Amino acid sequence: NSKVIQTPRYLVKGQGQKAKMRCIPEKGHPVVFWYQQNKNNEFKFLINFQNQEVLQQIDMTEKRFSAECPSNSPCSLEIQSSEAGDSALYLCASSLLGGRYAEQFFGPGTRLTVL
Amino acid sequence: GEQVEQRPPHLSVREGDSAVIICTYTDPNSYYFFWYKQEPGAGLQLLMKVFSSTEINEGQGFTVLLNKKDKQLSLNLTAAHPGDSAVYFCAVTPSSSGQKLVFGQGTILKVYL
Repeated sequence: NSKVIQTPRYLVKGQGQKAKMRCIPEKGHPVVFWYQQNKNNEFKFLINFQNQEVLQQIDMTEKRFSAECPSNSPCSLEIQSSEAGDSALYLCASSLLGGRYAEQFFGPGTRLTVL
Repeated sequence: GEQVEQRPPHLSVREGDSAVIICTYTDPNSYYFFWYKQEPGAGLQLLMKVFSSTEINEGQGFTVLLNKKDKQLSLNLTAAHPGDSAVYFCAVTPSSSGQKLVFGQGTILKVYL
């Protein structure tokens, strides 16, 4: 069973408000991923880190989303100004290796509702 | 980029019957393949990973087959039970993706008594 911890489990924000969620990867996993799962079960990769450094991110992440994985602190994903279309389940995953064969273990997600 | 087509979107089977879910992908150089299970209100639980050219992996109550020639990945629940009711996703690591996963559209499986 995955030991990735995500908080909060549920988050409700008004449009224009900031929304921040956190992730603690499995112990010893240096790579962290953030995905967005919408109500149609479509997944969108947002960003990933190896230790504290960004490996890849999409354009959406660069504009309204910010993420970090500081040393000795939970990773976080923050939406600066929430929009209705951001309502989704945000999943954090971690993997053991930085290489391409490492499986990703997922947390339970943070369900964001933007009113 | 890589596209993953998962079928069927919905599947309803009687307890004890088999259930088959198939994913077809487009990138012939995709190299790592996964099946995940998602129960209501939960994250994704890794069921199985495969990466050989043609591989059959068996887990508890299911079999996974990878056929790279046909670019197909399948999950076969051999004798479904109500606890198998969930949404199932295949996921692929394409050659061009770095490490990020490309997911299928999901299959909602319901097992009834």
